[in-house]
Amino acid sequence: DGGITQSPKYLFRKEGQNVTLSCEQNLNHDAMYWYRQDPGQGLRLIYYSQIVNDFQKGDIAEGYSVSREKKESFPLTVTSAQKNPTAFYLCASSIESTGFHGYTFGSGTRLTVV
Amino acid sequence: GNSVTQMEGPVTLSEEAFLTINCTYTATGYPSLFWYVQYPGEGLQLLLKATKADDKGSNKGFEATYRKETTSFHLEKGSVQVSDSAVYFCALSGDTGRRALTFGSGTRLQVQP
Repeated sequence: DGGITQSPKYLFRKEGQNVTLSCEQNLNHDAMYWYRQDPGQGLRLIYYSQIVNDFQKGDIAEGYSVSREKKESFPLTVTSAQKNPTAFYLCASSIESTGFHGYTFGSGTRLTVV
Repeated sequence: GNSVTQMEGPVTLSEEAFLTINCTYTATGYPSLFWYVQYPGEGLQLLLKATKADDKGSNKGFEATYRKETTSFHLEKGSVQVSDSAVYFCALSGDTGRRALTFGSGTRLQVQP
């Protein structure tokens, strides 16, 4: 079955470490997105990519980096510059060629700083 | 810029009660509007959508009508079930420029037996 897979489900990071969250999709979707969700809050856009080898900053990009070397993959690195990284991270994808129809979401990665 | 405002929760209802969750938006042009649902510990699932004014999206007994004159997209269900307990997010996608979704803050629904 086609879908979008995020790993790991839970991730613990020490202060000063960089960590990378994986996001893979086999839906042949063109665009991919990363959102951050904090308790009781909505989703805030970190980065997005509409085509391979291209990506744009969202509303809260500081302290994060991404790459889009393959259509299927859009990993997110949380760097040590991100001052408050503890949150639930959601990856999503969408098809663009036939118009925008909404996202398919992964099941999320919960990152905790210890 | 684009923005979405939802009613604050939690909303607590008894089973078979009528549900309304209010959503209003600010956007230029003609955005597409969406409702997503999130169950505990999971990602979001698309519940319904509407792409132009006066469209009604519907799914699993939930409905929402795209009202351009009031810039609203309220979610309704005639008879809720315990299994509907979740967090509901209203979202919009602009028709120009950035297509990425802008989300409201979410409304938690708790349905009691």
